[in-house]
Amino acid sequence: ETGVTQSPTHLIKTRGQQVTLRCSSQSGHNTVSWYQQALGQGPQFIFQYYREEENGRGNFPPRFSGLQFPNYSSELNVNALELDDSALYLCASSSGGVNTEAFFGQGTRLTVV
Amino acid sequence: AQRVTQPEKLLSVFKGAPVELKCNYSYSGSPELFWYVQYSRQRLQLLLRHISRESIKGFTADLNKGETSFHLKKPFAQEEDSAMYYCALNPDYGGATNKLIFGTGTLLAVQP
Repeated sequence: ETGVTQSPTHLIKTRGQQVTLRCSSQSGHNTVSWYQQALGQGPQFIFQYYREEENGRGNFPPRFSGLQFPNYSSELNVNALELDDSALYLCASSSGGVNTEAFFGQGTRLTVV
Repeated sequence: AQRVTQPEKLLSVFKGAPVELKCNYSYSGSPELFWYVQYSRQRLQLLLRHISRESIKGFTADLNKGETSFHLKKPFAQEEDSAMYYCALNPDYGGATNKLIFGTGTLLAVQP
């Protein structure tokens, strides 16, 4: 059984550009959530995907969007990057049932310059 | 508003001393609360959840609805407990536990 993997591990982008971050969920998991963790802060919920449909969204603007694929892997897309988007982006997968544990990836460190 | 507050950024104790990491929450419904831990160079992982009432690595946490608290306790700290600890709330109680509201975290440093 493989864990949650994210790519890339680090990324530097210029303000105004677009970025795509990827997440492979743990085997058997059909639910993926994305979190943004700014320096010195706890993770903040961006959105969740369940069986390829968005299933809940946090307080993030529409330029944050996502996809989930039939194999339950997921992408986070951010358009029109701003300096404040610099953060660690975490992906977490779970089996989607009641009271199941969320397993986190190691994160992608995004720096916007 | 739903919120999780961890008032201490850093808690430093000596090995063998008791530990209490504070967590208070603001939530209008019945909360589901968790403690997550991140050891150095490792990913975030679940430590314990209030519904399971387990003791993991000697840590316990009791939900106090009157005080809206979920403090994490351990009677005797070990050096390997040094890590970042996050308290988290699930506003989707009974649903998928993957829409968590996290506190800002407390760094526990256990001195030899």
